[in-house]
Amino acid sequence: GQQVMQIPQYQHVQEGEDFTTYCNSSTTLSNIQWYKQRPGGHPVFLIQLVKSGEVKKQKRLTFQFGEAKKNSSLHITATQTTDVGTYFCAGKLTGGGNKLTFGTGTQLKVEL
Amino acid sequence: NAGVMQNPRHLVRRRGQEARLRCSPMKGHSHVYWYRQLPEEGLKFMVYLQKENIIDESGMPKERFSAEFPKEGPSILRIQQVVRGDSAAYFCASSPLSGNQPQHFGDGTRLSIL
Repeated sequence: GQQVMQIPQYQHVQEGEDFTTYCNSSTTLSNIQWYKQRPGGHPVFLIQLVKSGEVKKQKRLTFQFGEAKKNSSLHITATQTTDVGTYFCAGKLTGGGNKLTFGTGTQLKVEL
Repeated sequence: NAGVMQNPRHLVRRRGQEARLRCSPMKGHSHVYWYRQLPEEGLKFMVYLQKENIIDESGMPKERFSAEFPKEGPSILRIQQVVRGDSAAYFCASSPLSGNQPQHFGDGTRLSIL
């Protein structure tokens, strides 16, 4: 079954509100990657975190990698309509070979 | 600098026919990954290939599905005797190295089975 879960599954926010998606793995991850997929589009790489406890920022986006390297979060400050899409975390599971396991995704809708 | 190229973008097949999906990785990338995505769902790993080698096919159904990445030409995902349940978007991604490298995705092939 799915070993990388994300919550929430869906999130509707008003433009200007903050948004957070959480990613949890059943096993430790060597790294965590985040992707964004616009409706009808393909996943686009956003960022990669490698170190335990690492925090990275990209403008209004803040990414964190948990101390135990089993969870991660993506926080968007003051959402805009351009943030609409589905956000996926992905990581290489311990004992999972070289493939990336994608999370279940969080679909974000931003209303004016 | 062309990205990952997938064709066709849309493919319609009748039950029992064969579907061939093609993927040309980014220039300089030797690792190819195939994923399947159902509407409103996440990406399910299918297979990981390098040139002429299948590295990990743990996500491939045991029957009807096969993949190759020949020395020359694109990677091919082949589905024989398609059934309605095969309808999905199939994405290909490539990376220069395996594992910890970001993957670059193509636009996908939307497969519809009549």
